[in-house]
Formats: sequence, C-alpha cells, structure tokens
Amino acid sequence: EPEVTQTPSHQVTQMGQEVILRCVPISNHLYFYWYRQILGQKVEFLVSFYNNEISEKSEIFDDQFSVERPDGSNFTLKIRSTKLEDSAMYFCASSSTSGEGNIQYFGAGTRLSVL
Amino acid sequence: GQSLEQPSEVTAVEGAIVQINCTYQTSGFYGLSWYQQHDGGAPTFLSYNALDGLEETGRFSSFLSRSDSYGYLLLQELQMKDSASYFCAVRGPSGGSYIPTFGRGTSLIVHP
Repeated sequence: EPEVTQTPSHQVTQMGQEVILRCVPISNHLYFYWYRQILGQKVEFLVSFYNNEISEKSEIFDDQFSVERPDGSNFTLKIRSTKLEDSAMYFCASSSTSGEGNIQYFGAGTRLSVL
Repeated sequence: GQSLEQPSEVTAVEGAIVQINCTYQTSGFYGLSWYQQHDGGAPTFLSYNALDGLEETGRFSSFLSRSDSYGYLLLQELQMKDSASYFCAVRGPSGGSYIPTFGRGTSLIVHP
C-alpha cells in the first residue's frame, strides 16, 4: 500500500540552527501539506502546496519556514533558525485532490527536538 | 477563524458503543472530518461529512448537524485497538485562506 515517508524520524538540533525535514508523498498525489503537533496538543496546520507553490498557510508559518519540492518526489520543510518552541512532531501529508472531502494521508512524522 | 470543542477523554469497555462529540464554530463551513491517532503516530482519516446525517463505515459512523454546528463519531463493538486519540477537523476561512483546523482530540480508553 502506498505511504507517505518522512525522514528522519527524530531530529535533534541546537537553537538557532537550520533544519530540513524531508517527505516523500504518495507518488500520484498532487497536494502536499505540513502539520505540527506539540507534545500532548492538537495537530496544527502549517502549509499546503500545489503546482510548485504555496496554496495556503497558517499564522504559524512565518518567515522562518519555507517549503520546497526540489524534484519529482521530495517535499521539504525548512526552518531557518530554530527556536525552543519549534520542538514538536512534524507531519507531512498528501492527497490526490483538494476537494473539501479530500483524504489526506499522513506520514509517521519527524520528532524535532530543539535544545 | 474557527474553533472546535471535543471532550478530552472518554472511557468505555470492550464491546460497548461510544460516541465522541464535536462542536465547532466557523465563519464558513466545508465539512467535518474525523481522524484517529495512536500514541502520537500518523493521524489516519476515518470519515467526512459535508451534509447532515449519518455516514457509516463498518464499525465507525459519523454524524453531522450543520444547523447545530455539531457532529459526532460513533464507534461500535469497541476493541482494545480502538484506544487512541480521535480528532475532529473542519476547513474554513482564516486570514484570506481556507485552512484545516483540528480539535484538541479526545483520548479514548477501552478497558477489557
């Protein structure tokens, strides 16, 4: 069964460092998403991406964040200068459509720990 | 923006039926979705309601009442593996965009 793959599963970094979280969406999907979940809290939408550009973003997704689809398979989230409060689980998701009932398939997540 | 309210925790015994409620406030409504998450793992899509009424998928059913801004997830014949967090989510306008918003999740604990 196709799945969304995220690497690494756990990333430890020092405050102020740049991190890149990587995702390989399901191959025939066209819509890509990043979410984060702080430990014990709800899942929060960060950004959606379609046709090589951001289609929607939340207030969390400020200038410290960027996304990129560098090739036909990878979808990355970059945090330029990490802060302690960026520590969270980051989930990538993809879907084949953007319809309101679109089913988003989530990866297993990358746990980011900022020290 | 939008907000959702759901109970923080629900407990039930194996074989029972449990209902997880979700109320929402949003200036524009595009359907209510439900996701299951085990122990901080990947959220898994369960169901979606755009219109009023009950949608049934095996042991899980989801209900929506748009006039009451209310929905619920119904789990029947509970199994131990159903112990997980369940999130409701809506998609609505926020700052000029339409973004999905998740509730804080309901932790379902199934006892033998």
